Amino acid sequence: NAGVTQTPKFRVLKTGQSMTLLCAQDMNHEYMYWYRQDPGMGLRLIHYSVGEGTTAKGEVPDGYNVSRLKKQNFLLGLESAAPSQTSVYFCASSYSSVDLLTDTQYFGPGTRLTVL
Amino acid sequence: AQTVTQSQPEMSVQEAETVTLSCTYDTSENNYYLFWYKQPPSRQMILVIRQEAYKQQNATENRFSVNFQKAAKSFSLKISDSQLGDTAMYFCAFGRYKLVFGAGTILRVKS
Repeated sequence: NAGVTQTPKFRVLKTGQSMTLLCAQDMNHEYMYWYRQDPGMGLRLIHYSVGEGTTAKGEVPDGYNVSRLKKQNFLLGLESAAPSQTSVYFCASSYSSVDLLTDTQYFGPGTRLTVL
Repeated sequence: AQTVTQSQPEMSVQEAETVTLSCTYDTSENNYYLFWYKQPPSRQMILVIRQEAYKQQNATENRFSVNFQKAAKSFSLKISDSQLGDTAMYFCAFGRYKLVFGAGTILRVKS
């Protein structure tokens, strides 16, 4: 049981390049999330998904796209990277039963992205 | 807007002593969960403790306990018998399926 994994762990991009971050979970969780962590600002929600085939915007969605084609995977895409997207990106997942109040989010190890 | 405030950017404590990290939040919701996450230098986000907002009893997990004051929207974390391994960034968060995080408090445990 690997929990939540993220690929890659580190990446350096040039301005304007594109890339996709992959998040995978093996806990059969319904909900998945992408956050970014910047110094002094905690974690901010970029996009999230409440089930296979669904996505929704979070607090800071601009410049990012996501897809959830399979329940276990949640992809985060940067179409044209900008230096402002230099950050640490975390994926998380949680189980949603009939009782949503039992939700606890489990996090991946993070991806450090630098855009030059 | 929902917000979380952690008013202590950095704190230090001697090994074996007790320390309390502060957290206040703002929401108009009535049903939600509150969390403390720990982020050591490895960067991994680790759940420390959680509290259901509808429960009056404060949550405890071994050396970690919370003081939850719902009316005051306050959710502080107390760490007893501090250990060197407790050195980390601590984040307070609340919500239901979407979480709002505070900016974090860096805790350093000194020997």
